[in-house]
Amino acid sequence: ENVLTQSPGTLSLTPGERATLSCRASQSISSSYLAWYQRRPGQAPRVLICGASSRATGIPDRFSGGGSGTDFTLTISRVEPEDFAVYYCQQYDSSPITFGQGTRLEIK
Amino acid sequence: QVQLQESGPGLVKPSETLSLTCTVSGDSVSSGGYHWSWIRQPPGKGLEWIGYIYYSGSTNYNPSLKSRVTISVDTSKNHFSLKLSSVTAADTAVYYCARLRRTSYYFDYWGQGTLVTVSS
Repeated sequence: ENVLTQSPGTLSLTPGERATLSCRASQSISSSYLAWYQRRPGQAPRVLICGASSRATGIPDRFSGGGSGTDFTLTISRVEPEDFAVYYCQQYDSSPITFGQGTRLEIK
Repeated sequence: QVQLQESGPGLVKPSETLSLTCTVSGDSVSSGGYHWSWIRQPPGKGLEWIGYIYYSGSTNYNPSLKSRVTISVDTSKNHFSLKLSSVTAADTAVYYCARLRRTSYYFDYWGQGTLVTVSS
């Protein structure tokens, strides 16, 4: 299976700072099949980015995705208080569908 | 607005079968563009995809669970279900149902999740 490794495990920032989250795949992924999710405490995950770089409906433009092959990034240009949450990447270029272990974005 | 809601027992005994249902509103499980999926998250661990079903009944399961999993769909009730047999404490998790878009393969709607504990 295609193992996704996210880094860092925890990212401590203050509101207004830039956040850069990494997702590295053990096998190359077509960009079309890489997505990012946000999970706030007590809530279900919600999709932020699909196709590696396309924002989902209703997602603010401070969120952006990029990368190709085995290395992908999620960037939050200026972190807002509501952005402190756990972020996951997910692939389905090959079965089984896999998720990264998550990056926790916490208030510094 | 599409909504998914999980339901089922919150406590299951070891060696028994876990059974959950996901009721869909705002969409039809018979709509052709989606796979209807189950995902779980054990305490302190990451998300694990369990499997999905298409309205036709075709399924795809995670090989790590395939021998114990059955996902079915009931189009008349607009819901789909998960059965996981021979459960152990390792199957304790929050179980989510979600809609997977067939062409771009991301989960666009999720249920709130339900905690299932395996304990005697």
